[in-house]
Amino acid sequence: DQQVKQNSPSLSVQEGRISILNCDYTNSMFDYFLWYKKYPAEGPTFLISISSIKDKNEDGRFTVFLNKSAKHLSLHIVPSQPGDSAVYFCAASPRGTKAAGNKLTFGGGTRVLVKP
Amino acid sequence: NAGVTQTPKFQVLKTGQSMTLQCAQDMNHEYMSWYRQDPGMGLRLIHYSVGAGITDQGEVPNGYNVSRSTTEDFPLRLLSAAPSQTSVYFCASSPRVIATPLSKNIQYFGAGTRLSVL
Repeated sequence: DQQVKQNSPSLSVQEGRISILNCDYTNSMFDYFLWYKKYPAEGPTFLISISSIKDKNEDGRFTVFLNKSAKHLSLHIVPSQPGDSAVYFCAASPRGTKAAGNKLTFGGGTRVLVKP
Repeated sequence: NAGVTQTPKFQVLKTGQSMTLQCAQDMNHEYMSWYRQDPGMGLRLIHYSVGAGITDQGEVPNGYNVSRSTTEDFPLRLLSAAPSQTSVYFCASSPRVIATPLSKNIQYFGAGTRLSVL
């Protein structure tokens, strides 16, 4: 049973509009969440993260929102650009030691296509 | 500026063959991990290491062995390849000491090894 789920396998958006990616989790032990971006034939690269003590974190065009009661987080990209076309993975990290926190659990990914 | 380097980039094996996927990092990171990526499944943790000489199992360890004799290297061994091990494999590393709270648990990934087992 997947503990981290991204229910939308793909998303298409017009350049300049907002992209909203969603992620749900089931494990209450998760206390840190990360978004990774992946281009074809490359490894995932870190995009933005949020701790469970916050409900929002912003970095330029990227904002992550966390709703702990609903066990739901979302990534907003505003405005979307063609270079944002990639697969986005949500990942969760459990509370505990730093070593335990390195055991990331990933969602299945959402493929975003930004049309010019 | 190498970061995490994985070799080979592509490999085709026959069922029952063995091979080692190489991973090296030049950032002096203590933590290293191996993941496999399958369609719709995201990345799943195979094995990880918190330092030289210390390894532990992740979510899907069966069929894979690891060892960590140096800080830099973390090879993944398939002793007897099976078609179910056809996947893209990613190695990642992260530092034990974090620079800022916002960099906690950030892992740096290699470009991956695409493995097909026939």
